[in-house]
Amino acid sequence: QVQLQESGPGLVKPSQTLSLICTVSGGSITSGGYYWSWIRQYPGKGLEWIGCIYYSGSTYYNPSLKSRITISVDTSKNHFSLNLGSVTAADTAVYYCARLDLYSGSYFDYWGQGKLVTVSS
Amino acid sequence: QSVLTQPPSASGTPGQRVTISCSGSSSNIEINYVYWYQQFPGTAPKLLIYRNDQRPSGVPDRFSGSKSGTSASLAISGLRSEDEADYFCAAWGDDLNAVFGGGTKLTVL
Repeated sequence: QVQLQESGPGLVKPSQTLSLICTVSGGSITSGGYYWSWIRQYPGKGLEWIGCIYYSGSTYYNPSLKSRITISVDTSKNHFSLNLGSVTAADTAVYYCARLDLYSGSYFDYWGQGKLVTVSS
Repeated sequence: QSVLTQPPSASGTPGQRVTISCSGSSSNIEINYVYWYQQFPGTAPKLLIYRNDQRPSGVPDRFSGSKSGTSASLAISGLRSEDEADYFCAAWGDDLNAVFGGGTKLTVL
């Protein structure tokens, strides 16, 4: 059973960089057919897809966030990371990592438990 | 402001059939598959429907999805108290860009 776990600071100051890691267990991040994704959920409930990465390093980003985000992968540690720069209060959300099964149906089938990140001074 | 539009709330009594709508556009729902996710408070969303009308194993056949043009619907028949949750629709837009609805809170009266 694949499991994902987000980790990182829960509080980030405005204008700084939000950095999170998603550690994958129960399976290899190099398994073909899966992209590894970041999704956030605002306090008001709405979901927003941030972007995803293949184990080879190929990435897709949400165009509205593209200028501020970097997603990277470390296959030796079986984890992938999110960096979101120049954060404001509007970036306060629960951040989820999820596995995107691109070949079976293009759906997010496994999710982490979520990490609440608050942007505040 | 979510890209896909859902009603903020829906309700029904046990045993009833309820539907939740999801409205999109020619750049997402009309040309790509629709997905539905179920979320309980304090937990991550869970896949409920994929590729418009397909159920993952373990999802009861009380849940069904459909799509027509730029809109989609989730139907829940034989409503049960444990169906009370938030429901989100999702679709792929241009160039592998996922878009979501704002979510519908389903209340079982």
